[in-house]
Amino acid sequence: GIQVEQSPPDLILQEGANSTLRCNFSDSVNNLQWFHQNPWGQLINLFYIPSGTKQNGRLSATTVATERYSLLYISSSQTTDSGAYFCAVVEVKAAGNKLTFGGGTRVLVKP
Amino acid sequence: DAGVTQSPTHLIKTRGQQVTLRCSPKSGHDTVSWYQQALGQGPQFIFQYYEEEERQRGNFPDRFSGHQFPNYSSELNVNALLLGDSALYLCASSFRERQGLFYEQYFGPGTRLTVT
Repeated sequence: GIQVEQSPPDLILQEGANSTLRCNFSDSVNNLQWFHQNPWGQLINLFYIPSGTKQNGRLSATTVATERYSLLYISSSQTTDSGAYFCAVVEVKAAGNKLTFGGGTRVLVKP
Repeated sequence: DAGVTQSPTHLIKTRGQQVTLRCSPKSGHDTVSWYQQALGQGPQFIFQYYEEEERQRGNFPDRFSGHQFPNYSSELNVNALLLGDSALYLCASSFRERQGLFYEQYFGPGTRLTVT
């Protein structure tokens, strides 16, 4: 199956700082999602991005499918940005599809 | 528009027991997938249901089984619980993939299972 690796595994930021999270995957994928997991465990959809760049407020994401990576940018970080960030790639099989997740980047934003 | 709901929120079971977790998909969605998330790790795919049938399965033993009902809701059953089954169990829903078009999955709040 496809391997998904995220870096860095942990990130400590001062409030207001910018950061870049990276997601590498080992094979061609049909699509990719970025999630934020809050301290209560809820996975919140951030981006659904097979290629190109998308922006949503202070967050943006870029996927370069031909080079098998995606980046998540957090600008002007806030304490509410703390939590784990996961990328997940869509693997398609004959009868269905599934998400394969990376190990995540755990972000702590300090006031 | 109701999102994905799961019940119960928390559950404590004893090794060897059986457990049933429940999931209702987001309104309009017809596909349900289940994931297991161990502490400090990313979620791992268990299986996916569409049209009341298991369509795809991850690397989980037969102790893990499921069901989808005509209203698209789903259950995850785990038999003969092991200590290692302690995890957050996440349900996700989506529209079924059609003609190469994929639809993003939306997750419920999860059920935290503790096996003692």
